[in-house]
Amino acid sequence: QVQLVESGGGVVQPGGSLRLSCAASGFTFSPYNMHWVRQGPGKGLEWVAVIWYDGSDKYYADSVKGRFTISRDNSINTLYLQMHSLTPEDTAVYYCAKDSGGGYCAFDVWGQGTLVTVSS
Amino acid sequence: QTVVTQEPSLSVSPGGTVTFTCGLNSDSVSTTYYPSWYQQTPGQAPRTLIYKTNIRSSGVPDRFSGSILGNKAALTITGAQADDESAYYCLLFMGSGIWVFGGGTKLTVL
Repeated sequence: QVQLVESGGGVVQPGGSLRLSCAASGFTFSPYNMHWVRQGPGKGLEWVAVIWYDGSDKYYADSVKGRFTISRDNSINTLYLQMHSLTPEDTAVYYCAKDSGGGYCAFDVWGQGTLVTVSS
Repeated sequence: QTVVTQEPSLSVSPGGTVTFTCGLNSDSVSTTYYPSWYQQTPGQAPRTLIYKTNIRSSGVPDRFSGSILGNKAALTITGAQADDESAYYCLLFMGSGIWVFGGGTKLTVL
């Protein structure tokens, strides 16, 4: 079945780095833009970043621009989020999400999320 | 700064109708923002309900509907059920590769 599985979350000290991965299966990964979305404890959803289907374009929320880098490897159906200079405000569950395609600008498949905790 | 506005909370009686709205602090919401809607229960990943204003995602019952009402996007539940008690988020595409979620609405069914 169509599935996204995130990994790589954990506890990291302020100022530290972490790389998240999202393994896709059950659908053809390469034609679709992919997103990262996060949710802080007790907070709402926050869109973080998008990468175009071929990796040619990447866009970021202002809150992470310059610190986070989104990337993908279509040969192994995997999406990544490299995070640097982490602060406690980055503590959240991080979800990867598949763009619906078709010009609909929506997300139609979600992973279960991976928890990132930034704390000393 | 772009702010997408939603009601913090709403309530509905079982069998009743409830409408959530999604606005912008700087503009009217139209179909050009490709509004979509997501449902989330505590501890779970979001579930896609509506995309491109009014297209139901696969498997979503037809008691969920999307529209534009005035200057806002709207999600309406007709015939609310107990298991509709969740948080609901709207998402707008701002163009230039940027998406923004609303703050979410917590629905109570009582």
